[in-house]
Amino acid sequence: NAGVTQTPKFQVLKTGQSMTLQCAQDMNHEYMSWYRQDPGMGLRLIHYSVGAGITDQGEVPNGYNVSRSTTEDFPLRLLSAAPSQTSVYFCASSSRSAPPLDTQYFGPGTRLTVL
Amino acid sequence: KQEVTQIPAALSVPEGENLVLNCSFTDSAIYNLQWFRQDPGKGLTSLLLIQSSQREQTSGRLNASLDKSSGRSTLYIAASQPGDSATYLCAVDPSNYQLIWGAGTKLIIKP
Repeated sequence: NAGVTQTPKFQVLKTGQSMTLQCAQDMNHEYMSWYRQDPGMGLRLIHYSVGAGITDQGEVPNGYNVSRSTTEDFPLRLLSAAPSQTSVYFCASSSRSAPPLDTQYFGPGTRLTVL
Repeated sequence: KQEVTQIPAALSVPEGENLVLNCSFTDSAIYNLQWFRQDPGKGLTSLLLIQSSQREQTSGRLNASLDKSSGRSTLYIAASQPGDSATYLCAVDPSNYQLIWGAGTKLIIKP
């Protein structure tokens, strides 16, 4: 199992550009989520999904879109990048029906800089 | 609103010591609490998960306890090693999948 994979690992954008961060998991987890991590702060939830076709907003959803067309993939789209979106982005997955229950598996992260 | 606090923000101890990391939360209505480890520039690795009905969980030299009534969890690390150096984060799941995170404790184990 590859677990949770994220691409790219690093990205530099100019203000106003758009891009998609990719996330995939091969554990058949129903739950997937996107977080951002800023220095000195805990992770903050951007969007999450409890299954294919179902997404919902987290704590900081503005400026981001998600979709979940398959169980495996959960891409995060930045619509018009702003310097405030400079951060490290993590994707995670878990299952509430298969063991180990609720254990969160994280991808390696994408370090995004917006100039 | 649920808030999660981890104190201290940083901790440096000599190798071999037993140590305790603290996590406090303001709302006792939680589904579970999880402890994670994060190495510099890396993703997070789950260490221990305690369901709301449990009091503690153990894995090797790690032991995590949960006291919902007081809003506290502790992560006990026995016989610390330099390889334990990392940032340790706790997160509370209020049952709606929206985990609430502490800012972490940066642990340095000196050889």
